[in-house]
Amino acid sequence: KAGVTQTPRYLIKTRGQQVTLSCSPISGHRSVSWYQQTPGQGLQFLFEYFSETQRNKGNFPGRFSGRQFSNSRSEMNVSTLELGDSALYLCASQLRTASTNEKLFFGSGTQLSVL
Amino acid sequence: QKEVEQDPGPLSVPEGAIVSLNCTYSNSAFQYFMWYRQYSRKGPELLMYTYSSGNKEDGRFTAQVDKSSKYISLFIRDSQPSDSATYLCASRSAGSYQLTFGKGTKLSVIP
Repeated sequence: KAGVTQTPRYLIKTRGQQVTLSCSPISGHRSVSWYQQTPGQGLQFLFEYFSETQRNKGNFPGRFSGRQFSNSRSEMNVSTLELGDSALYLCASQLRTASTNEKLFFGSGTQLSVL
Repeated sequence: QKEVEQDPGPLSVPEGAIVSLNCTYSNSAFQYFMWYRQYSRKGPELLMYTYSSGNKEDGRFTAQVDKSSKYISLFIRDSQPSDSATYLCASRSAGSYQLTFGKGTKLSVIP
């Protein structure tokens, strides 16, 4: 069974540009979450999408947005990039059923460098 | 104060040692506790998953949760160089699909 796939693996952008990251969840998983990982702050929750709707949102500015498609694939967009946006962006998927025993599985991430 | 606190280390041990990794949390609503292992330039990999208080064992790994003291532990027996990675604890509350992570502890197992 294929895992969570994120593309691209590496990105270099300059300040002020925008960027779009892509995530394909594990087959059958309906929820996709995005996390930002930096050395200073660790892993921080950005948002979660389920059934093409944003269900939860972390404490990030509106420059960070996302969407989910009908096949559960998700994209994350960051507009007007700042130097502080340099980070590893991780996508994670889960089944999201009525079961409380939900487990989150991560992709390898997209390493974004803003110059 | 972060909701989940974890000593970042680094922690260096000789091969074969018993490793103890710890986290504390402040949110009483947390009921699910996880340990993830992250190798360099990779995403976190789910290692252990526990609900409420108690112990869970899987091979060389044992996870412990003490809700009365809000303390989470991971023990690694007979540590191997391949265990060298960053270990992240994470928690969530019932009905939530959002994880709160500690900052991670970097472990090196020296042959």
